[in-house]
Amino acid sequence: GESVGLHLPTLSVQEGDNSIINCAYSNSASDYFIWYKQESGKGPQFIIDIRSNMDKRQGQRVTVLLNKTVKHLSLQIAATQPGDSAVYFCAEANQAGTALIFGKGTTLSVSS
Amino acid sequence: GAVVSQHPSRVICKSGTSVKIECRSLDFQATTMFWYRQFPKQSLMLMATSNEGSKATYEQGVEKDKFLINHASLTLSTLTVTSAHPEDSSFYICSAYDGGLTYEQYFGPGTRLTVT
Repeated sequence: GESVGLHLPTLSVQEGDNSIINCAYSNSASDYFIWYKQESGKGPQFIIDIRSNMDKRQGQRVTVLLNKTVKHLSLQIAATQPGDSAVYFCAEANQAGTALIFGKGTTLSVSS
Repeated sequence: GAVVSQHPSRVICKSGTSVKIECRSLDFQATTMFWYRQFPKQSLMLMATSNEGSKATYEQGVEKDKFLINHASLTLSTLTVTSAHPEDSSFYICSAYDGGLTYEQYFGPGTRLTVT
């Protein structure tokens, strides 16, 4: 089975709201976590990543939080825009150069 | 930034035929490439890991004789779906790793395969 998952499959927000997408992982040995955005018919697009020695990392309008105690990962998107509408996947890896294990994905719908 | 391409982007083939999908790293050398399959409204599932010059390592449940992977150079890996059936219709995505110390992988745009 998948080692990353458990989340709300869909999230609907209004433009300008903040969005929070959650992900749980089961492999305590995972050292690297990454969030991807996937639009219909396209490959995954890197959003932000975090190593296990950190608990928070910020990018432009996005923040990733890692809680290793409960094996939980979240992606926060500030001031969500219609262009943010897509499916968001979390993924994990335990070693550089190994395959990423993907979670089930959350569909974010932003209405204006 | 690192770019990975896939060709073709879309392909339709008849049942029983074979189709080849290419994955290329355009501006870096990829020591390892990964092939994923994604069914509609589902996540990416790893099919196999491909190291340049070595045989691919397949995930459990993925038939190596049906999904032939060749990683003949540091910039090209190919996935051949042999004797395709309608249930092989899916979105196939590759990613490439440059062998560096970071974990980052670079994804291709995907190939939509439809088997009629």
